[in-house]
Amino acid sequence: DGGITQSPKYLFRKEGQNVTLSCEQNLNHDAMYWYRQDPGQGLRLIYYSQIVNDFQKGDIAEGYSVSREKKESFPLTVTSAQKNPTAFYLCASRRLAGVSTDTQYFGPGTRLTVL
Amino acid sequence: GQQVMQIPQYQHVQEGEDFTTYCNSSTTLSNIQWYKQRPGGHPVFLIQLVKSGEVKKQKRLTFQFGEAKKNSSLHITATQTTDVGTYFCAGGGSQGNLIFGKGTKLSVKP
Repeated sequence: DGGITQSPKYLFRKEGQNVTLSCEQNLNHDAMYWYRQDPGQGLRLIYYSQIVNDFQKGDIAEGYSVSREKKESFPLTVTSAQKNPTAFYLCASRRLAGVSTDTQYFGPGTRLTVL
Repeated sequence: GQQVMQIPQYQHVQEGEDFTTYCNSSTTLSNIQWYKQRPGGHPVFLIQLVKSGEVKKQKRLTFQFGEAKKNSSLHITATQTTDVGTYFCAGGGSQGNLIFGKGTKLSVKP
């Protein structure tokens, strides 16, 4: 949606390998998010960041790591410690405007499959 | 922590029938947002409701925000096959984040 890009669209990984999913936005949004979606399931929050060089764990952060060195970029690393990483990963961003939240825009997603 | 419950999980309708999905929060929400995810796609923003008792319409879609700002509904009149997908509600939490419901998957039989 809008100016959020995720790459790659499909990713295959061997067990025991770390892999990094890219998320870039040119919307000048403050906050960025990573969600995991399993078939037929809702969105579960992995990590989020509301400001550069700061990020917070979501509901299912174990086995994942992130960085926010630049406002427009929020890469997610799926480590070998994540026991069941096969899923659809969605990145999102949002402008934080005062006391009211703003629309959250999603990227097209990355489908990760562990072989 | 804060939770947003969404029902039903699945809904199968005949084309032309109406459809409603409901969201309930354990706490007061600052706002409620609705998203639609087509099969194989990503969630796309539909609308945001902010005021208590607010009602908004988008063609055949009617969105409501409860008086207590703890519940919301999305109603689709005379469903079409293009309405197929999963509808998510997301409530504004106390820490400025969004709390998503698990979604309602709508299938429409032509």
